[in-house]
Amino acid sequence: AQSVAQPEDQVNVAEGNPLTVKCTYSVSGNPYLFWYVQYPNRGLQFLLKYITGDNLVKGSYGFEAEFNKSQTSFHLKKPSALVSDSALYFCAVRDMVDDYKLSFGAGTTVTVRA
Amino acid sequence: GAGVSQSPSNKVTEKGKDVELRCDPISGHTALYWYRQSLGQGLEFLIYFQGNSAPDKSGLPSDRFSAERTGGSVSTLTIQRTQQEDSAVYLCASSYSSEQFFGPGTRLTVL
Repeated sequence: AQSVAQPEDQVNVAEGNPLTVKCTYSVSGNPYLFWYVQYPNRGLQFLLKYITGDNLVKGSYGFEAEFNKSQTSFHLKKPSALVSDSALYFCAVRDMVDDYKLSFGAGTTVTVRA
Repeated sequence: GAGVSQSPSNKVTEKGKDVELRCDPISGHTALYWYRQSLGQGLEFLIYFQGNSAPDKSGLPSDRFSAERTGGSVSTLTIQRTQQEDSAVYLCASSYSSEQFFGPGTRLTVL
């Protein structure tokens, strides 16, 4: 079965510094990968997805993610973090058989300090 | 445009009571999902509806949980005889492609 792992429960960065949220995946075949963000008391919001094509995917709010097949990773990045980026971030992979299902990582809480 | 809406936003109930949670998907989205988000469990898939096809109920944790989708639009998740372990945030999502759009969730607290 496919799965994703987010090795860090929390990431703390200073505003203006680069932000990286890590995600590794385990799938047989070519993965469909997603990043979602959840602000307090809100539902998940789609940030970006990788299906095929360029390994560097650009998404909403200045975020991007790099698909690395050799390292089975899909890390989320932002060159200059904002305090407003403080939220809970989820990586997800689409099921290879039931392609409507997403398997989510445990989530990473990002705190950006002013 | 309008996003996915869910009601109520918060629900407090007593153990043993039944609850109904409602989801209004984005108009035109044929697929609808329910997830449960709880501490220590992350996001769990519960059920999936697609058009008029039979739903995938494989994620429902027990027979106390059921869901229906009327007219291919609004969905109701029903939990019978609630237990304290049912306390969680229940998220609904809808989609027309690979990207799922989530509602704000219903926070259920079972006392």
